Amino acid sequence: GESVGLHLPTLSVQEGDNSIINCAYSNSASDYFIWYKQESGKGPQFIIDIRSNMDKRQGQRVTVLLNKTVKHLSLQIAATQPGDSAVYFCAETPWFGNEKLTFGTGTRLTIIP
Amino acid sequence: ETGVTQSPTHLIKTRGQQVTLRCSSQSGHNTVSWYQQALGQGPQFIFQYYREEENGRGNFPPRFSGLQFPNYSSELNVNALELDDSALYLCASSLGQMQETQYFGPGTRLLVL
Repeated sequence: GESVGLHLPTLSVQEGDNSIINCAYSNSASDYFIWYKQESGKGPQFIIDIRSNMDKRQGQRVTVLLNKTVKHLSLQIAATQPGDSAVYFCAETPWFGNEKLTFGTGTRLTIIP
Repeated sequence: ETGVTQSPTHLIKTRGQQVTLRCSSQSGHNTVSWYQQALGQGPQFIFQYYREEENGRGNFPPRFSGLQFPNYSSELNVNALELDDSALYLCASSLGQMQETQYFGPGTRLLVL
């Protein structure tokens, strides 16, 4: 079946460095992609989203890149801080208006002081 | 503006019992989605309610049911609890039936013994 998966389950980055979290999706009809951050004991927190008609979108210290050719999504976090330590999920929906978010397993990002 | 709230925060039940979890959506949001998150996994979509009617359902048995009230708060009911129902149950609210960003609550941690 269709699924959203992550390449790396864990990632450790030195504080101040940039980090890149990758995500592969298999549904070619995916239209809307979201990155969520989940800290221990909390619900997922929206970070940034991107629609399939875009290749790149930037937020505050974060950038999402979408490569539809290889069905790959990445989240770049610049100048990482200790507060960035969390599990990061990518999620997708197959078309605009669909109610269901399909989540990947998640990548645990640890920022080393 | 208040965020998504859920109650209770933690709950312990025994196999065969029934449980009701509650969610208050973010101010102005009329759509509520429920997700189940097993330990170490990404959230799995259970169902969504839009203006008091079910608007899509994931791969969960009928013993998972829900309600949405006129003030857009929602309940998730699970009958005949099984050990595998132990998980974090997340509620997310969004503005409208069309794809909008879903904002998550902190979740209810359910343990079935």
